[in-house]
Amino acid sequence: EVQMLESGGGLVQPGGSLRLSCATSGFTFSSFAMSWVRQAPGEGLEWVSAVSSGGGSTFYSDSVKGRFTISRDSSKNTLYLQMNSLTAEDTAVYYCARTTTPGTGRLDDWGQGTLVTVSS
Amino acid sequence: QSALTQPPSASGSPGQSVTIPCTGTSSDVGGYNYVSWYQQHPGKAPKLIIYEVSKRPSGVPDRFSGFKSGNTASLTVSGLQAEDEADYYCSSYAGSNPYVFGTGTKVTVL
Repeated sequence: EVQMLESGGGLVQPGGSLRLSCATSGFTFSSFAMSWVRQAPGEGLEWVSAVSSGGGSTFYSDSVKGRFTISRDSSKNTLYLQMNSLTAEDTAVYYCARTTTPGTGRLDDWGQGTLVTVSS
Repeated sequence: QSALTQPPSASGSPGQSVTIPCTGTSSDVGGYNYVSWYQQHPGKAPKLIIYEVSKRPSGVPDRFSGFKSGNTASLTVSGLQAEDEADYYCSSYAGSNPYVFGTGTKVTVL
């Protein structure tokens, strides 16, 4: 069974940093591209970042480019999102998601999410 | 990249059908046959229910169907059931932006 468990969320002050983790199991982590998607309270879904299966290619939305860094550690089957220079607009539940077919806009499996709150 | 446009709400009685449109542009919905749909119950993670416009992942009932014409995709839920009450989001591949989501539609089963 595919499982993905996000952690690392919490309350952070504006301008601060946070690193999210997504621990995975039930599939060969190194074979699949992964993404982060966020959802602000009461709002819709917003794609944040993606990384290729091997980690060599990374992609970011314009809203986080230059502030967030996605990475992965296949030895730990874990996906990361380093978030710097956080603002109130980054407050959201952050989901990690797996795609079985890159380049098709398809996110097959999702974690349960971790809440990030940016506030003073 | 702007979000795809969906109506905020839709509703139907049990057993009826509801159709949710998702309007984009030639740079996303109209340019690729890569439209997905996700179902999200309150407090839960989204779940993929349609991919590549009209294909269903294993385990998704055939009451869910997808279609696309030009820059507009649509999701139809036939034979509405109480458990279909949820938020639904469309998504499209858009080249440099791999995932563009819709604004979301809340489906109410009357």
